[in-house]
Amino acid sequence: ELKVEQNPLFLSMQEGKNYTIYCNYSTTSDRLYWYRQDPGKSLESLFVLLSNGAVKQEGRLMASLDTKARLSTLHITAAVHDLSATYFCAVDEYVGNDMRFGAGTRLTVKP
Amino acid sequence: DVKVTQSSRYLVKRTGEKVFLECVQDMDHENMFWYRQDPGLGLRLIYFSYDVKMKEKGDIPEGYSVSREKKERFSLILESASTNQTSMYLCASSSLDRGIDYGYTFGSGTRLTVV
Repeated sequence: ELKVEQNPLFLSMQEGKNYTIYCNYSTTSDRLYWYRQDPGKSLESLFVLLSNGAVKQEGRLMASLDTKARLSTLHITAAVHDLSATYFCAVDEYVGNDMRFGAGTRLTVKP
Repeated sequence: DVKVTQSSRYLVKRTGEKVFLECVQDMDHENMFWYRQDPGLGLRLIYFSYDVKMKEKGDIPEGYSVSREKKERFSLILESASTNQTSMYLCASSSLDRGIDYGYTFGSGTRLTVV
């Protein structure tokens, strides 16, 4: 059974600081997704990582994938309050297959 | 610009009622999914469908069924609602568009309370 683990589950940061969220998964897969969820809202796709060594960046967020280590990271650079949200990673084993999600990391960025 | 629509944002139902949650997508996606989201547990897959009239069980199908009579519509049915089915339910759809994977598009969610 595919398992996806995120850590930390809760993260409180000061504005301007850097931090990394980790996502480990239990199966061989080269398809890893990051989503953002604002309170009371649905999930929004952030990044799709489809091969070993894939790196994608959008603003202050950068995601990477190491399929050999079965690890993805979401790095936050110089955090701002607008980044406060819950971030989920998700993995699917096969193309177009059902995804399994991590428990989510609730990020709070304080002034 | 709404692409995945869930018919209700909030629902309150009584124990034992049969409950229908509807999801419609306008992107001609082949794949549709139902998840429930609970604090600390992330999203758990209930059922999914790759095509009309096809369905597959996810990780927690007990107490649920689904229907996909048309490509754009995927319904989740709680046969006899129980209080432990109080949750946020999320519908999603996906497709491989000419081999490009865009991930899932989610609906806005239905918060169901069973009393």
